Amino acid sequence: AQSVTQPDIHITVSEGASLELRCNYSYGATPYLFWYVQSPGQGLQLLLKYFSGDTLVQGIKGFEAEFKRSQSSFNLRKPSVHWSDAAEYFCALYNNNDMRFGAGTRLTVKP
Amino acid sequence: KAGVTQTPRYLIKTRGQQVTLSCSPISGHRSVSWYQQTPGQGLQFLFEYFSETQRNKGNFPGRFSGRQFSNSRSEMNVSTLELGDSALYLCASSLEGRGRGETQYFGPGTRLLVL
Repeated sequence: AQSVTQPDIHITVSEGASLELRCNYSYGATPYLFWYVQSPGQGLQLLLKYFSGDTLVQGIKGFEAEFKRSQSSFNLRKPSVHWSDAAEYFCALYNNNDMRFGAGTRLTVKP
Repeated sequence: KAGVTQTPRYLIKTRGQQVTLSCSPISGHRSVSWYQQTPGQGLQFLFEYFSETQRNKGNFPGRFSGRQFSNSRSEMNVSTLELGDSALYLCASSLEGRGRGETQYFGPGTRLLVL
């Protein structure tokens, strides 16, 4: 069965520092992969998605993610975090009408 | 273009009652999906509607049901509420559906508290 794992429940970074949020998936073939962000009291907003092709995907708000088949990973990165990036981040996998979300990583940004 | 809207935003019910939540998708979107978000279980897929037909269903009991109208607006209903139904219910819309991982646009959710 397909699954998504986000190993880090909570991450704290200083404003201006770089960020990497981890996502590992379990699926036999190449799935469709997504990163969403959820601010308090809000719905989910799509940051980026990967279907095929270039394994480095650029998204909104300066985020990027790299698909690594050998590691079954789709980690999210940002070179310089802003205070407004504090939120919860979800990695998701879609295949054959089934969409699975990771448990989420809560990001705190220190001033 | 207006985003996905959900009403009401907050709701308090007691056990045994029933509740109806509403979702208006982005104009032109024909697919509406519903998700339940709880601290313990995370985000779980409830069902997807497309052109007034339920296309997919998650692993939830029959107390959870939904429908879609000809204008693509969707409602979900939960009957005989249980304490564990307390959650944030999210609606997401897309043009043609979740097939091929089409981008879904989420509403702000309805926060349901069951007492």
